[in-house]
Amino acid sequence: DAKTTQPPSMDCAEGRAANLPCNHSTISGNEYVYWYRQIHSQGPQYIIHGLKNNETNEMASLIITEDRKSSTLILPHATLRDTAVYYCIVRVLKVGGGSQGNLIFGKGTKLSVKP
Amino acid sequence: KAGVTQTPRYLIKTRGQQVTLSCSPISGHRSVSWYQQTPGQGLQFLFEYFSETQRNKGNFPGRFSGRQFSNSRSEMNVSTLELGDSALYLCASSWADRTFSPLHFGNGTRLTVT
Repeated sequence: DAKTTQPPSMDCAEGRAANLPCNHSTISGNEYVYWYRQIHSQGPQYIIHGLKNNETNEMASLIITEDRKSSTLILPHATLRDTAVYYCIVRVLKVGGGSQGNLIFGKGTKLSVKP
Repeated sequence: KAGVTQTPRYLIKTRGQQVTLSCSPISGHRSVSWYQQTPGQGLQFLFEYFSETQRNKGNFPGRFSGRQFSNSRSEMNVSTLELGDSALYLCASSWADRTFSPLHFGNGTRLTVT
């Protein structure tokens, strides 16, 4: 799985958009970008994933650059409850399922949303 | 629908003892993975089980073992505990037969070894 690089920490004002960058310059063509977050004292929570097109769901948007070497997770209106460590993970997605439980988590970005 | 349940929530053991942690996956999920989280090493993959078989294993010593039962519930065991085994142990479940299935994590068991 390709290596990812994220800033160790970021601040965001409540109500503003939080833009969390991730660099994955060695990503290969069949690797997807996944984002999870971990709120203090809880297990990680899946947010979103994508291959090359921008993706949006009820939690966030994922913008992947055309060369796929970096991506940005966007929380459009950050709240205090979004304070967490955000992990960007790159890995192959196997058609038909199979082993998907062995994710490699880096250090992530600690996002602090301030009132 | 109930989430992933891990028991116990907290555990204190002494060096040299052994410990068993339990995980009940989301109903219908057949894959269960275990992770260790420490401040120094972060989240590290321990092993993954599917249909009672270990499908993947991380880089941990043989003191760490696990198993999965026919109802998909899983246990992990750590024998001869060391101080460095103090950590948050997280279990995650997922569908095993879909192209993409996100991991659903429990809130973990906090193990302290004294």
